[in-house]
Amino acid sequence: EIVLTQSPGTLSLSPGERATLSCRASQSVSSSYLAWYQQKPGQAPRLLIYVASSRATGIPDRFSGSGSGTDFTLTISRLEPEDFAVYYCQQYGDSPRTFGQGTKVEIK
Amino acid sequence: EVQLVESGGGLVQPGRSLRLSCAASGFTFGDYAMHWVRQAPGKGLEWVSGLTWNSGSIGYVDSVKGRFTISRDNAKNSLYLQMNSLRTDDTALYYCAKRGASGGFDIWGQGTMVTVSS
Repeated sequence: EIVLTQSPGTLSLSPGERATLSCRASQSVSSSYLAWYQQKPGQAPRLLIYVASSRATGIPDRFSGSGSGTDFTLTISRLEPEDFAVYYCQQYGDSPRTFGQGTKVEIK
Repeated sequence: EVQLVESGGGLVQPGRSLRLSCAASGFTFGDYAMHWVRQAPGKGLEWVSGLTWNSGSIGYVDSVKGRFTISRDNAKNSLYLQMNSLRTDDTALYYCAKRGASGGFDIWGQGTMVTVSS
């Protein structure tokens, strides 16, 4: 099983600042099959990024993903008020599909 | 409108069974792999099970192997999760999710809550 470790656990930032979230895998993720999701309280997760760096439909270009192998990053270039949420990475190249434990981006 | 609607959750005693359903609409259900993901109260996301478009490949997380069975009926645009021998640590909000054409889970339902308690 591929274990995904996200850091930091909580990120305290102000609107307009840049957010950098990390996701490290215990072994190489097949074909960069790595996705990022955003989840707000009381809502289902929303797909942001797939295959490590491709934005899903309707996702603003302030969200970008990068990385390969075992190290991946989600960057939010300038935080908007609606971006404060919990973010999860997921690998879907191997079974079981696994999620990271999440990074909470909170308002400073 | 592309939509997934889960049903079948509820309060159940440990050791009992429950069957979840997920009704899909707005897309060609039979073309896509489908998955179940759960979230215990206040916790993160956990992939539970998934299957390919034709049920040819099925997978489970270790903690549910031998107890849960995933299935689908493409004619009815429906996904199912039969949950037997339920345990208190199965308590969670269960989401069904569609695999996107290029990867990731691009459509999610709103979830159905399963509470296992005596």
